[in-house]
Amino acid sequence: GENVEQHPSTLSVQEGDSAVIKCTYSDSASNYFPWYKQELGKGPQLIIDIRSNVGEKKDQRIAVTLNKTAKHFSLHITETQPEDSAVYFCAADTRGNTPLVFGKGTRLSVIA
Amino acid sequence: NAGVMQNPRHLVRRRGQEARLRCSPMKGHSHVYWYRQLPEEGLKFMVYLQKENIIDESGMPKERFSAEFPKEGPSILRIQQVVRGDSAAYFCASSPLQGATGELFFGEGSRLTVL
Repeated sequence: GENVEQHPSTLSVQEGDSAVIKCTYSDSASNYFPWYKQELGKGPQLIIDIRSNVGEKKDQRIAVTLNKTAKHFSLHITETQPEDSAVYFCAADTRGNTPLVFGKGTRLSVIA
Repeated sequence: NAGVMQNPRHLVRRRGQEARLRCSPMKGHSHVYWYRQLPEEGLKFMVYLQKENIIDESGMPKERFSAEFPKEGPSILRIQQVVRGDSAAYFCASSPLQGATGELFFGEGSRLTVL
């Protein structure tokens, strides 16, 4: 089955700097790669996603890149703000009835 | 349009008791997923259900755990004879689409503590 590895597990950045979180996946058939943000005491919320027919997607300060050959994808947050502090999860999905497989998460701290 | 509703938000049980966690999906969603999150861990898939059907229960322990999504009413995750290792946050997610090739909408979770 699919296996998703996520790095780093914790990340601290100064406000205004960029943050990058990286994930690798094992199943070359995976074709959907979402990123979720989880704030303390809350459920995860989708912030951006990318499909295998696209190499990059951007939404304001957030961007995701996908390298299908290397089987890895990354989340980029620019101009970080304190409210970006949260746990971020990457995930991968094969197709059909298979469930999303999540990475172990990255705890991002943005220091003002 | 209300989001995914989970209750209770917090549940305390003693070892050997039963825990029942409920999840009402978003309106119009007929696909429900349950995930378990241990402290400082990721989300582990447990079970995927459609109305009256279990589609994939490969992540759910064979003993003590069961799930249902009846024709009427919420989805229920039931844990019998709870042990301390069952202490975790249990998240329900729903989707309007078959499989998970689109966004999963998560509830706020039910946090189970076993004393």
